[in-house]
Amino acid sequence: EAQVTQNPRYLITVTGKKLTVTCSQNMNHEYMSWYRQDPGLGLRQIYYSMNVEVTDKGDVPEGYKVSRKEKRNFPLILESPSPNQTSLYFCASSPLGQYGYTFGSGTRLTVV
Amino acid sequence: SQQGEEDPQALSIQEGENATMNCSYKTSINNLQWYRQNSGRGLVHLILIRSNEREKHSGRLRVTLDTSKKSSSLLITASRAADTASYFCATDPYSGAGSYQLTFGKGTKLSVIP
Repeated sequence: EAQVTQNPRYLITVTGKKLTVTCSQNMNHEYMSWYRQDPGLGLRQIYYSMNVEVTDKGDVPEGYKVSRKEKRNFPLILESPSPNQTSLYFCASSPLGQYGYTFGSGTRLTVV
Repeated sequence: SQQGEEDPQALSIQEGENATMNCSYKTSINNLQWYRQNSGRGLVHLILIRSNEREKHSGRLRVTLDTSKKSSSLLITASRAADTASYFCATDPYSGAGSYQLTFGKGTKLSVIP
């Protein structure tokens, strides 16, 4: 089944403890992206990647890192999480060109 | 940056009625897309309409695009309880490079009452 898989689905962590949210897609898509969704603010793009070793900042990149060493994987790294990064995170992928995105099921992160 | 803005923010209708949601945006686009999100779950792509298209259909969905007014509408006909969800428009700003910075509106919350 064609899908974007995010792990974990839920995560509670403490301020300052480094964490990684994984994202993997099995559709051979070139493009991958991370979004966060907050009440009243909608979805905002964090980072995106147009291919292996090619990444760029979205609208809200502060406090996040990404890497794209393989085409299928696009992990999101929070090196020192803070409570304002408590949010619902989504990974998405698509072929390059004018196509819709396939979204993962989301990761609900709480930083205390 | 928030590009699309949906209207209304919330909509409640009876099963069998039609639901219309609108989206306005500010800059030139390559295409506009509509997505559905069931409570707290991942978004599901519904339909993409290119800037040179005026109307598109998919099953019970009808999307229109008016680039002169920078607006789009999503019509769901003969709604069902299962259509209860939030609906988002997303714009792909004109750049010639395709969907790499899709920006989403804040959504319309649709409730279909059985």
